[in-house]
Amino acid sequence: QVQLVESGGGLVKPGESLRLSCVASGFMFSDYYMSWIRQAPGKGLEWVSYISSSGSTIYYADSVKGRFTISRDNAKNSLYLQVNSLRAEDTAVYYCSRMITFGGFDYWGQGTLVTVSS
Amino acid sequence: QSALTQPRSVSGSPGQSVTISCTGTSSDVGGYNYVSWYQQHPGKAPKLMIYDVSKRPSGVSDRFFGSKSGNTASLTISGLQAEDEADYYCCSYTGGFTFYVFGTGTKVTVL
Repeated sequence: QVQLVESGGGLVKPGESLRLSCVASGFMFSDYYMSWIRQAPGKGLEWVSYISSSGSTIYYADSVKGRFTISRDNAKNSLYLQVNSLRAEDTAVYYCSRMITFGGFDYWGQGTLVTVSS
Repeated sequence: QSALTQPRSVSGSPGQSVTISCTGTSSDVGGYNYVSWYQQHPGKAPKLMIYDVSKRPSGVSDRFFGSKSGNTASLTISGLQAEDEADYYCCSYTGGFTFYVFGTGTKVTVL
């Protein structure tokens, strides 16, 4: 069965960095587009970043452009999000998600919590 | 890109139908047939209920129906059941560098 397992979240101070990871299993990871989506405590969902199946095409939300970097290692069935220059407003649960081409996000991990606080 | 507009809450009695609207613009909802809907129970990850405006993933009840007219998409839940009580979010592909935009979210309450 399809599984996505995120890790790497934690409590950091403003300006610090983290590397979030997502390990996929149960499907051919290299065939699928992937995205990171976040949810601040008590708030709605916000799309963060997209990467194509080969990694050649990448997009970011304006709110994270220049600070976050998405990448993938198809040999390791893994998706990553390097998050730099963290701000309080980046505090959220970060989900990795598999995509049905552009039509939607069909599988989600359990999420990893990033808390940015001094 | 602003979030898509959803009603804050809708409610209905068991067995009734409720409809959640999701209003965007011609740059998102109105421009592409890539609207999706997600159900989220407290403390859980979102679950895909509808994709490509009206398609249901395997395993999702046929009580969930998606549609679109112009810049507004809708999710109708028929035969409301207690387990349908959750938050629901719409999402649309935007085609540009923003790529995706989510709705503001709707809390469905089963009375």
